[in-house]
Amino acid sequence: RKEVEQDPGPFNVPEGATVAFNCTYSNSASQSFFWYRQDCRKEPKLLMSVYSSGNEDGRFTAQLNRASQYISLLIRDSKLSDSATYLCVGRYGNDMRFGAGTRLTVKP
Amino acid sequence: DADVTQTPRNRITKTGKRIMLECSQTKGHDRMYWYRQDPGLGLRLIYYSFDVKDINKGEISDGYSVSRQAQAKFSLSLESAIPNQTALYFCATRERVGTEAFFGQGTRLTVV
Repeated sequence: RKEVEQDPGPFNVPEGATVAFNCTYSNSASQSFFWYRQDCRKEPKLLMSVYSSGNEDGRFTAQLNRASQYISLLIRDSKLSDSATYLCVGRYGNDMRFGAGTRLTVKP
Repeated sequence: DADVTQTPRNRITKTGKRIMLECSQTKGHDRMYWYRQDPGLGLRLIYYSFDVKDINKGEISDGYSVSRQAQAKFSLSLESAIPNQTALYFCATRERVGTEAFFGQGTRLTVV
């Protein structure tokens, strides 16, 4: 079993929609979590960190549920520019473990 | 200019050839990493280095070697390339564990 698992999608949504991605992790000792965004054929870039109390950055909300070992990313009012692959990342000691990514396409 | 620069950006090589991928960073970070990305598998850590002369194996180090020539430079070598090393390779740097990772633009390597 992969340490970080995501639904690969693709998620195809209209502009303005709300979309949510979930990610599960297997190692309860994982210390911190992040969401990265990766555009096609480009490098991953940090979207936001995930805090235990949940956190929001504009249209993006991240939540962590340690009891159930999952994290989520909610995108409200989707824009065309949100089309990308979203990578869930967990920290394990000196390493970061990446999920395979969830592909999102926002359509006009 | 990019904070993390990888060369080459694209490379096609033959099975059995030795190839080196180079990475340099201007962030001033001590920690540098090499990952490979395959469809459906996400990024997997190959090697990492916390300082010059510090080298650590990652999740999938077999068939690879690295050299940390200076704080800003970290190179990845495939001693004898094989087709299943065809992948997208990323170099990254971060200030410390758990902080934001800054990635290079990637090297698309094809072994034929």
